[in-house]
Amino acid sequence: SQKIEQNSEALNIQEGKTATLTCNYTNYSPAYLQWYRQDPGRGPVFLLLIRENEKEKRKERLKVTFDTTLKQSLFHITASQPADSATYLCALYSSASKIIFGSGTRLSIRP
Amino acid sequence: NAGVMQNPRHLVRRRGQEARLRCSPMKGHSHVYWYRQLPEEGLKFMVYLQKENIIDESGMPKERFSAEFPKEGPSILRIQQVVRGDSAAYFCASSPDGDNEQFFGPGTRLTVL
Repeated sequence: SQKIEQNSEALNIQEGKTATLTCNYTNYSPAYLQWYRQDPGRGPVFLLLIRENEKEKRKERLKVTFDTTLKQSLFHITASQPADSATYLCALYSSASKIIFGSGTRLSIRP
Repeated sequence: NAGVMQNPRHLVRRRGQEARLRCSPMKGHSHVYWYRQLPEEGLKFMVYLQKENIIDESGMPKERFSAEFPKEGPSILRIQQVVRGDSAAYFCASSPDGDNEQFFGPGTRLTVL
C-alpha cells in the first residue's frame, strides 16, 4: 500500500545547529514533492517544491534533496533559530492530481 | 490580493445538526482542495474541485459529506447530521492550477457537542 513516513514525531535540537528532517515514501512515483511549515492553530505554509528530475533545491537557509532511488527527501534548516520551531510537513503530488501529506515532524529549536 | 479565506473560523454544532464550511480561494485560483486534520495528526485529503466540477472525492466519507464549488461564490463543505467524530480542523487550499503549490486558509475548527 502507499505510505508516506516522516522521521520521528518530534525533533529537538540546539540553536545554530542544522536540523534534518526525513520523508520516506513507498509505492508512489511522485512527479514532485513539497515541504510545508505549520504553526499551531494555523494552516500550512508552502516552503519548497522539488521535482523528480531535480536532486537539490535551496532557498535561504533551507535545502531540500530528492532521491527517487531511495524514495526519500531530506529537508535541512541550517543555522537553526528558535523561530524555526514548528511542524514541518512533506507532501507528494500523486498521479490523481491530489497532494498526499505526511503526518509531520514537530521541530523544536532550543536557545 | 487577499489570501484564502475560510469562515467561520470556529463552529460549534450539536450532534445531528448540519455544518457548512465556506472557502473563498485566492483571486484567479480555480482549484480548491479540502483537508481534515485531527489533533496531532497530519492533513487528510478529502476532495479536489474545480469550478462546478468535483475532480477527486476519494477522501470524502460516502455519507453525510458533500462539497461544491459553484460558478459564483465560495466553495462549500457540508456535513449533515454531525457526530462527535467529525470534530476536527478543516482546511481549504487553492491553487491556480492542479500542478503547483497550494495556498492554505486559516481553517475552520468544528466542535460537535
